[in-house]
Amino acid sequence: GAGVSQSPSNKVTEKGKDVELRCDPISGHTALYWYRQSLGQGLEFLIYFQGNSAPDKSGLPSDRFSAERTGGSVSTLTIQRTQQEDSAVYLCASSIWDRGTYEQYFGPGTRLTVT
Amino acid sequence: GESVGLHLPTLSVQEGDNSIINCAYSNSASDYFIWYKQESGKGPQFIIDIRSNMDKRQGQRVTVLLNKTVKHLSLQIAATQPGDSAVYFCAETYPDDYGGSQGNLIFGKGTKLSVKP
Repeated sequence: GAGVSQSPSNKVTEKGKDVELRCDPISGHTALYWYRQSLGQGLEFLIYFQGNSAPDKSGLPSDRFSAERTGGSVSTLTIQRTQQEDSAVYLCASSIWDRGTYEQYFGPGTRLTVT
Repeated sequence: GESVGLHLPTLSVQEGDNSIINCAYSNSASDYFIWYKQESGKGPQFIIDIRSNMDKRQGQRVTVLLNKTVKHLSLQIAATQPGDSAVYFCAETYPDDYGGSQGNLIFGKGTKLSVKP
């Protein structure tokens, strides 16, 4: 079946511009996560949506970052006034919410380059 | 803050040998651990998980060992193959206020495994 998809796969933007990154989770998955991965680094948690609950935004690095999830499915991560330090691969993952298992299925990521 | 880290950033093994990738975690409350494999240009892929009430779990060619006393996690890959070449991440999560586990995973920096033919 279809996995998690993300678009665009690559995005180059100028410093100061806003960008939107899209994530289509696996159908039926109630939980959706955004992570950021800098070159040669591990994954940094950004934000997490679970069903209709308020999202966990504890990982967002600044108020320039925001995300929404419409209709419990597609999610958009928005970065306003991009800075060079925002350059990274942004990964989205989804999972079935189950207190017994937390296997997250990852998309291929969006590589963001801020020039 | 609390974090998951790795002892070895790179590991090079001969094809057919066994590989052991290590991970140290600092949050003693963590109760669920996962190993992910990430190939170049792709998102992480689930390999195996283990709950804190276990000390060993086996999958196909992989075994995860958990030592809660020293807060150490390891991934063993038997008969390593060229297709195993990737970056391997351990990740942890810990209980939330309701007795379940936090949704987000805390990842370590990763170990790059290179398999020589």
